[in-house]
Amino acid sequence: DSGVTQTPKHLITATGQRVTLRCSPRSGDLSVYWYQQSLDQGLQFLIQYYNGEERAKGNILERFSAQQFPDLHSELNLSSLELGDSALYFCASSKGPGLPDSPLHFGNGTRLTVT
Amino acid sequence: LAKTTQPISMDSYEGQEVNITCSHNNIATNDYITWYQQFPSQGPRFIIQGYKTKVTNEVASLFIPADRKSSTLSLPRVSLSDTAVYYCLVGDIGGNAGNMLTFGGGTRLMVKP
Repeated sequence: DSGVTQTPKHLITATGQRVTLRCSPRSGDLSVYWYQQSLDQGLQFLIQYYNGEERAKGNILERFSAQQFPDLHSELNLSSLELGDSALYFCASSKGPGLPDSPLHFGNGTRLTVT
Repeated sequence: LAKTTQPISMDSYEGQEVNITCSHNNIATNDYITWYQQFPSQGPRFIIQGYKTKVTNEVASLFIPADRKSSTLSLPRVSLSDTAVYYCLVGDIGGNAGNMLTFGGGTRLMVKP
């Protein structure tokens, strides 16, 4: 158990809809990262927050947005959903603001299916 | 973030030692090397991290030559449960904004009985 909690585990919705994915980081971790993994594809970095502020942005679509709240949990909002958004969405956390002074710890993901 | 290159796939047999090499020719002075393991439908799991020479923990060893342009993850005596995708990630410790933190394609290890 990594200590990172993601909810829900599964989500099925229709095209055009909006969903919210939630992540609670490990206790003591200040950074939260969001990744997308499509079928048989690598992990695509979406966005990182550190202590409530956006820290780094990857290939995140304009239809997607995220935030980190004062209690450090994070939400990823996906809107105007398309079939191609079907994927596993992972959240990870780390102590520090950047990579490897502390490794990333991943949750088990939310599987989003858009029909 | 330094670009990494790994073999797409590898096969091995139970009980053998497996070595997976990652090339990172443009590694920067401050970059650390981190390896992750991912099983299907699970989040990646941290295996080992190093900066230079050799690092060993209870599950793996990491060998980094003096020029740091490559690294080798060594898994001793693999079992069927080691069948997974292994990712090499290279990045700096400075935590600079704009760090893309993107994983490469990984190496798909298949362990056979």
